Amino acid sequence: SAVISQKPSRDICQRGTSLTIQCQVDSQVTMMFWYRQQPGQSLTLIATANQGSEATYESGFVIDKFPISRPNLTFSTLTVSNMSPEDSSIYLCSVHDRGRTDTQYFGPGTRLTVL
Amino acid sequence: AQSVTQLGSHVSVSEGALVLLRCNYSSSVPPYLFWYVQYPNQGLQLLLKYTTGATLVKGINGFEAEFKKSETSFHLTKPSAHMSDAAEYFCAVMREGYQKVTFGTGTKLQVIP
Repeated sequence: SAVISQKPSRDICQRGTSLTIQCQVDSQVTMMFWYRQQPGQSLTLIATANQGSEATYESGFVIDKFPISRPNLTFSTLTVSNMSPEDSSIYLCSVHDRGRTDTQYFGPGTRLTVL
Repeated sequence: AQSVTQLGSHVSVSEGALVLLRCNYSSSVPPYLFWYVQYPNQGLQLLLKYTTGATLVKGINGFEAEFKKSETSFHLTKPSAHMSDAAEYFCAVMREGYQKVTFGTGTKLQVIP
């Protein structure tokens, strides 16, 4: 299975600021995904990040609020912009191992609290 | 379109008792099905998955699940609960060839000593 790391693991931020979350994978993957898990809720897909092209956003999520970079096949960043308390969530990066296991694997998550 | 329904947002069992977490899915094509576990303050860990073949799949930590096409179910079981099983469990479905996964709402398992 893929090994995924995220930075930071948690952060407390002030309203109106932005936070960039990094996701690093130990192998090259075509597609990376960013999810949000609001308190007490399930996972919601924010966007799919493809290397060399713009990210594809799900309904309800926009690039201005959640800009994503994917500079290579092992790394991606998600920025949460102009934060409000409603953005307090766990943000998870995941990858799909299509070749070997056809399974999605998740990073440990970034726990964000916005004051 | 595909969807997942997990019955019971909270389940409590006694230590040593049977664990049964229910999951029903909806998919227009044969699905891939997964169970993930999330321990407090951690990310998601894959417990087990069903793609094709044998309908009873075994996962880590003594868990298993059975794919029942006629019932569109993929319930998770463990014969004897351990205190360390206390966590939140997510059932998920994916369409073969598509990499988007749809998650259920999760079931929090409490294990009572």
